[in-house]
Amino acid sequence: DIQMTQSPSSLSTSIGERVVITCRASESIRIYLNWFQQKRGKAPKFLIHSASSLQSGVPSRFSGSGSGTDFTLTISSLQPEDFATYYCQQSYMTPYTFGQGTNLE
Amino acid sequence: QVQLQESGPGLVKPSETLSLTCTVFGVSVSSSSYYWSWIRQPPGKGLEWIGYIYYSGTTTYNPSLKSRVTISIDTSKNQFSLNLNSVTAADTAVYYCARETTGPWGQGTLVTVSS
Repeated sequence: DIQMTQSPSSLSTSIGERVVITCRASESIRIYLNWFQQKRGKAPKFLIHSASSLQSGVPSRFSGSGSGTDFTLTISSLQPEDFATYYCQQSYMTPYTFGQGTNLE
Repeated sequence: QVQLQESGPGLVKPSETLSLTCTVFGVSVSSSSYYWSWIRQPPGKGLEWIGYIYYSGTTTYNPSLKSRVTISIDTSKNQFSLNLNSVTAADTAVYYCARETTGPWGQGTLVTVSS
């Protein structure tokens, strides 16, 4: 299985700050990398596909980059509604696997 | 608007079979454009992909669960289903159905394995 490792696991941050979350794959996944946001008690919400393509309706303060094994999710200016847990997920090869999550607090 | 909704028992006894159904609204599960997934999340933990099914009935499962899991599709009811047998407490989780993995996702249903 392809292992996905996110860092940090948690991040203490504030409104207006720039946030960067990294995701590393145990082998190359080209750009087959998705990002999700999950709020407490809710289903994950799809944010970004193909490493950098923003899903329709997702605010432009979210952006993704990377290819191969190293990826980042950036929130340019954190808003109150962005406090959540973020997951990366590889869709290059089954079994599809997720990172362990990064909790913004 | 595409929506998915999970249904099934919230409590299953150890060694029995967990059975869930996902009803899809707004798109046909017979569409060749999509596959249909199950994903689970133990309380307070991360996400685990269980498997998916195409409209044709072709399935792909997570090897970690493959010996215990069956996903099926009922095009007449626009539903797909998950069966997980020989459950233990480790199978306690919120179970989500989703179109592919990118969504949309259902709201999730908590299944507790306990006697």
